[in-house]
Amino acid sequence: QVHLQESGPRLVKPSETLSLTCSVSGGSIIGFYWGWIRQAAGKDLEWIGHLINTGDTNYNPSLMSRVTMSLDVSKNEISLRLNSVTAADTAVYYCARMGATKLRDLWTHYRYDYWGQGSLVTVSS
Amino acid sequence: IVLTQSPGTLSLSPGERATLSCRASQTVSSGDLAWYQQKPGQAPKVLIFGASFRATGIPDRFSGTGSGTDFTLTISRLEPEDFAMYFCQLYGSSPAFTFGPGTKVDIK
Repeated sequence: QVHLQESGPRLVKPSETLSLTCSVSGGSIIGFYWGWIRQAAGKDLEWIGHLINTGDTNYNPSLMSRVTMSLDVSKNEISLRLNSVTAADTAVYYCARMGATKLRDLWTHYRYDYWGQGSLVTVSS
Repeated sequence: IVLTQSPGTLSLSPGERATLSCRASQTVSSGDLAWYQQKPGQAPKVLIFGASFRATGIPDRFSGTGSGTDFTLTISRLEPEDFAMYFCQLYGSSPAFTFGPGTKVDIK
């Protein structure tokens, strides 16, 4: 069973960089898209972006200028960096593995089928 | 594409049928629509993908239907553990994933 665990500082000062790591156990990170999704109190789930070990990366345009994602195959980890944070970036941050189905040579049914427990990051001085 | 969900809150009793709606602001492929359940303090859990396919381990009281702009999640008979938040999710072009605001199913 695939297990994801987020870790990183829970408190970040405004204008600094939020850094989180997602450690994956029970399976390799190779060959899957790994995403970050956040949920601020009282707000919708917001997709931040995803990446795969082949280098394909896709970020939410609303956050693209501030986001960097990477992965470390040797450690089976995915990382998120969000710079120039403000109070609006306070949220629970989830890492998740994307699932998809191949139908007649086309990929479809995209969803996130494994999630970490989430990490609450507060931006405050 | 914007997703709207209705109602915002659904108050029902165990054993009753729950019908949750997700509407897209324009026509989407049913293959790109998923539903999640989220309980307090927990991560979302995928229930339905491709609008109508149950994820592994999801009981058959959960079913998804719909096409075009209108999608429905139905819980045929509510069990105590089904009282939770439910979100729909769309895979699109930009951003790649969008989530609806959710429907809370609470105990009447």
